[in-house]
Parts: sequence; structure tokens; C-alpha cells
Amino acid sequence: DTAVSQTPKYLVTQMGNDKSIKCEQNLGHDTMYWYKQDSKKFLKIMFSYNNKELIINETVPNRFSPKSPDKAHLNLHINSLELGDSAVYFCASSQVLAVYEQYFGPGTRLTVT
Amino acid sequence: AQSVTQLDSQVPVFEEAPVELRCNYSSSVSVYLFWYVQYPNQGLQLLLKYLSGSTLVESINGFEAEFNKSQTSFHLRKPSVHISDTAEYFCAVRENSGNTPLVFGKGTRLSVIA
Repeated sequence: DTAVSQTPKYLVTQMGNDKSIKCEQNLGHDTMYWYKQDSKKFLKIMFSYNNKELIINETVPNRFSPKSPDKAHLNLHINSLELGDSAVYFCASSQVLAVYEQYFGPGTRLTVT
Repeated sequence: AQSVTQLDSQVPVFEEAPVELRCNYSSSVSVYLFWYVQYPNQGLQLLLKYLSGSTLVESINGFEAEFNKSQTSFHLRKPSVHISDTAEYFCAVRENSGNTPLVFGKGTRLSVIA
């Protein structure tokens, strides 16, 4: 069984559209994250949720809005997509206050044309 | 705030040769250190981690890393690489308190040549 899953795996869309990426974890973790990996492979945290509450919100445009309906899900909605949003987006999860491993999803490759 | 520097963006090495991927970090507080591996078109997988105790940590597939506090380094080594080790390797750091996010280096592309 997949521990952290993301859908879709690939997403191609035009500028100005609104799109969502879904993430689910079946590990029973309390904390979930969204990371963005740019074209140069640089990974950076975007958001972190703990038990459905936002605890980390890095400098990310307001067009990005995470939503956590329950602690097993953390979705990412992006409004008015721009060319610069093209990247691979990774979801991850970990135990609360765990200093251990963050489990990553397979990634969603978003291409904005 | 923490930062991570991976000095080499690409490391080509012949099969069965040794390799070292360098990682240095900067932090004003105590940290935990990690190496993640990303195989082509896949997500990240934890390779090994340093939390406390012995400064030398090992993975199940022959990699090891040594935490050096005085040099603020956490270099990754393998005495003999395989073709299957070809991947992107990321060093990461996080504060050792609270639920803080990982801060990643920019990655090192290891290419193993037959």
C-alpha cells in the first residue's frame, strides 16, 4: 500500500487556470507538508499542517491555498496559474514532534503553458 | 534559520569506485541531519539520518555519513558504487526541537559510469 499518495502525477494546464493537487497519507501521521521542487531540483517547504491546522506558511503567493479536510489529507489549490508555477510538487508527512523521517509522495509535475 | 550547502552539483564516478558527496550546514541551534535520495521520476526516500549518539551512521545499501560538529559537515560516502546508485542526493537539516520543516541543499547528481 502506498504510504503517501498524490494525484494527479502529471498536470498540464494553461496560464490563468485554477487547479488542485490532492495528497493522502495512510500512515496515521499528524503533520503534512507541501514542498516545491523547481527546475534546478531545489526543494523548498511551502506549507505544513498539524492536525488540520496551518503551522508553517513560507513566503508563498496568496494564489496558493492549502486545505486539510482531515489529518490524512492535505490538498493544494492554485489560482490563476503562472508560468513560474511550473515545478514538481511533493507532499510529505511525519509524526507530530517526531524528529524522524518525513515520508514523501511521488510528486506531481505541474506544467503551465 | 538553517541552511545547507552541497558543494558539488554533479559527481560522475566509475562503477565500483568510492564516492563522497559533500554537505555543510549552518545553524544557530542544534540540528538533526538527513540524506535523502531521489531516483529518476520518483519521490524522495530517506537514506540515513543523524539524531544523536554515534557520529557515524550507515544505511542498509552501503552508504555512510559522518557528523562533524566542528566542521559543520555531514558528508555522504560509499566505498564502492553501483550503477543503481545513480540518483539525486539531497542533504537536509532541521532544528532538533518543535515540528520544524526540513531545509534542503540543492542536491548532488551522482552519475555512476559503467
